[in-house]
Amino acid sequence: DIQMTQSPSSLSASVGDRVTITCLASQDINNDLNWYQQKPGRAPKLLIYGASNLETGVPSRFSGSGSGTDFTFSISSLQPEDIATYYCQQYDNLPISFGQGTRLEIK
Amino acid sequence: QVQLVQSGAEVKKPGSSVKVSCKASGYTFSSYTISWVRQAPGQGLESMGRIIPMFGLTDYAQRFQGRVTITADESTSTAYMELSSLTSDDTAVYYCARGLPGREFSLFYWGQGTLVTVSS
Repeated sequence: DIQMTQSPSSLSASVGDRVTITCLASQDINNDLNWYQQKPGRAPKLLIYGASNLETGVPSRFSGSGSGTDFTFSISSLQPEDIATYYCQQYDNLPISFGQGTRLEIK
Repeated sequence: QVQLVQSGAEVKKPGSSVKVSCKASGYTFSSYTISWVRQAPGQGLESMGRIIPMFGLTDYAQRFQGRVTITADESTSTAYMELSSLTSDDTAVYYCARGLPGREFSLFYWGQGTLVTVSS
C-alpha cells in the first residue's frame, strides 16, 4: 500500500494568513491526489481533486499543486470557518490511502 | 439526490464480528464504486477497501486482509462491510462513500458514519 505523509501534523495561524500543507507519497502517484476538509463530528468534504482542481462550490482561496510524490495544499487567506483537519488521499494505486491529517487552528 | 444511509451504532465484544450496512439512493447503485473508510476516536482517516457492485469486485487494504469482507446487494442497493475478530483498536466511526462520474475515488458522497464500539 502507498504511504502518504503529511506535514505539519498541526498548524496554528491567524485570520488572513496564508497556510500551506505538504503531502509526500511513498512512490510516484502522478497527479492522482485529493484533498479533504473535515470538521468535528462531520464526514470529510472533498475540496480538490487531481492534485490541483477545485471542486465545484469550493472557495477559490483553496488551492493545490504538485505531481509525482510531492504535493502542496494552500489557503491563501485563512478564514475562521476554515478551522478543520485536512487530509490528502491518493488514488493512483489501490487501495486508496490517506495522509495522517493536519489539524488547523486559529492563533 | 444521492444519499448513503448507514445502519446504527453497534457495541460489540472483543473477538466478535460487526456488519455495517450502507443503503444507497438517488442513483444507479450498480454503476459506482463504494469505498469504506474508518476513523478511530481522535485519529485520522483509514481506507479499508471498496467494491464495484456491478461486478462484485473488491479490493482491501493490506492491514485488513483476511478480516474484512465487503459485499453488495444490488436488489436492495445496499453495501455491507463486515469486520471480524474485533479488538478495542477497532472502535471507530465507519463510513461508506462514493465518488463522482469518472472520478470514482474522489469521495464526494458520504454516509453519516456508524460508530462501532468494541468493549468487554
